Amino acid sequence: GAVVSQHPSWVICKSGTSVKIECRSLDFQATTMFWYRQFPKQSLMLMATSNEGSKATYEQGVEKDKFLINHASLTLSTLTVTSAHPEDSSFYICSARRDGGGYGYTFGSGTRLTVV
Amino acid sequence: AQSVTQLGSHVSVSEGALVLLRCNYSSSVPPYLFWYVQYPNQGLQLLLKYTTGATLVKGINGFEAEFKKSETSFHLTKPSAHMSDAAEYFCAVSDYDFGNEKLTFGTGTRLTIIP
Repeated sequence: GAVVSQHPSWVICKSGTSVKIECRSLDFQATTMFWYRQFPKQSLMLMATSNEGSKATYEQGVEKDKFLINHASLTLSTLTVTSAHPEDSSFYICSARRDGGGYGYTFGSGTRLTVV
Repeated sequence: AQSVTQLGSHVSVSEGALVLLRCNYSSSVPPYLFWYVQYPNQGLQLLLKYTTGATLVKGINGFEAEFKKSETSFHLTKPSAHMSDAAEYFCAVSDYDFGNEKLTFGTGTRLTIIP
């Protein structure tokens, strides 16, 4: 149990276009999901906390208008990188916290975004 | 504010040898502590976690960690390394019980296994 599916696993897009990344909890409900960014050989940096039915909470320094987060249901959160630029190229990882019945985060498999 | 320090960005051990990955944390409240493993181009997989209770925690793949409050440490060990253990390992801390459920990660330790 506790599987999080992240799609796509990799994507290449042209500079100036937008890219949407999906994060789904397959077998549990997740009121809260998290989006991280990871640069090569570095740790994970929390970008934002996604709450079902409400606005996301962004970490300091993260551009809200560039990284749009939508958490429309208890099993789906999306991250849209708008007007992507090469510096947005990175590995993006989502995680979901299972509601009730214990504590723990489950991570998606990540999305490698390359902006050319 | 909470923080995590992982000593040693790279650790190499021989196959069959003891694995020891160090993690020290800083937290103003009793922490929840985690170890995750990441294989190339993949997400994170939970190895083990400490929330409350027994301070020696056993996880998957033969790993275990001991919470030592006096030393603010949560070091990860495995008695005998296997080639498949080669990966990146992250220690993380959370102040979940106190309204802060964010995970703060350490900088990671890359474990290399020498045949």
